[in-house]
Amino acid sequence: AQSVAQPEDQVNVAEGNPLTVKCTYSVSGNPYLFWYVQYPNRGLQFLLKYITGDNLVKGSYGFEAEFNKSQTSFHLKKPSALVSDSALYFCAVRVLHNTDKLIFGTGTRLQVFP
Amino acid sequence: GAGVSQSPSNKVTEKGKDVELRCDPISGHTALYWYRQRLGQGLEFLIYFQGNSAPDKSGLPSDRFSAERTGESVSTLTIQRTQQEDSAVYLCASSLRPWGSNYGYTFGSGTRLTVV
Repeated sequence: AQSVAQPEDQVNVAEGNPLTVKCTYSVSGNPYLFWYVQYPNRGLQFLLKYITGDNLVKGSYGFEAEFNKSQTSFHLKKPSALVSDSALYFCAVRVLHNTDKLIFGTGTRLQVFP
Repeated sequence: GAGVSQSPSNKVTEKGKDVELRCDPISGHTALYWYRQRLGQGLEFLIYFQGNSAPDKSGLPSDRFSAERTGESVSTLTIQRTQQEDSAVYLCASSLRPWGSNYGYTFGSGTRLTVV
């Protein structure tokens, strides 16, 4: 079955420190991978995606993600966290077998402390 | 429209009543998706529309749930005989299809359904 896993329910980091939010995937064929962010009482916003090409993908708000095929991972990173980055982050993978949709991970809550 | 619009934004209903949730996708977006997000949980896929047909409705939890779409426009998600476990935020998203390099879902703000 095609899926994504976010092993951490919550990640805590001090403002100014680098952050990593982990995601691993299981798909057949080449993966299309996404990160979305959900701020309180707001809809999900697209951050970045990996389709093909460079393994390091840059997205919105200074976030980036590294595609690692051998480790089947797509971790979200930012060099210097801001308090305003505190939100719920979702990793997603495109599923194509008999459909065409995104399957989301369970989400990771990022808390950035001043 | 400029974004995906969902209505109502909040709905409180009594157990056993039927509810209808509406989604207006971005104009020109041929694909439309419904997801459910229970409190503190991830996004659960419900149904995918391409135009007005639904190639994948595998995520609908029971026969109390149904959805339809008019052309490449408005979609309604109907929940009959609501139960307390139906309480959740129902999110709609739309996208262009076929997927190109600019692919990405655009989500609405959701309908928060509370069954009392």
